Amino acid sequence: EAAVTQSPRNKVAVTGGKVTLSCNQTNNHNNMYWYRQDTGHGLRLIHYSYGAGSTEKGDIPDGYKASRPSQENFSLILELATPSQTSVYFCASGELGLEQYFGPGTRLTVL
Amino acid sequence: GDSVTQTEGQVALSEEDFLTIHCNYSASGYPALFWYVQYPGEGPQFLFRASRDKEKGSSRGFEATYDKGTTSFHLRKASVQESDSAVYYCALGDWGTNTGKLTFGDGTVLTVKP
Repeated sequence: EAAVTQSPRNKVAVTGGKVTLSCNQTNNHNNMYWYRQDTGHGLRLIHYSYGAGSTEKGDIPDGYKASRPSQENFSLILELATPSQTSVYFCASGELGLEQYFGPGTRLTVL
Repeated sequence: GDSVTQTEGQVALSEEDFLTIHCNYSASGYPALFWYVQYPGEGPQFLFRASRDKEKGSSRGFEATYDKGTTSFHLRKASVQESDSAVYYCALGDWGTNTGKLTFGDGTVLTVKP
């Protein structure tokens, strides 16, 4: 069965600290995505990737970086975390033209 | 840019009621349309999609028909159950841009009382 896993599931960080959220997929999909989910905003795309070594900016990339070292792994990096980045983050994988499969999410709190 | 509007932010029904959640979209191309469902503590799950005008997508008793004329993809179910309580998201994928990204609506919280 298709699987997307995320770690950690919960994270508390301090303002100005560095945070790395990790995502692993066993679907062998080329495309991977990072979204954030906030009440009243649905899911918004932060970064995405077409394959190992590629990262592209989504709709709200400011304050975030991404890294795709392999087909299976896609990380989201907050170099200097701010309280406005408190949210639930979802990773997804998929192929162009087809549905995306989501992970269980990471709840990030920045104090 | 592309956008998806879900009219209802919250819907409260009783078991065996008929469900309609309205979804309208705006896109420059000819998008594929999706419905996702999200249960508490989980990520969104793909429900079904439709890729062309008049195509009907369906799954688990839910259905929606792609209507290019009214730019709509309304979700319907004839008889809801308590287990259908969840957040429902309408989304569009504009493959013409080759990004593969989805644009989501704000979601509709469905609560079904026994």
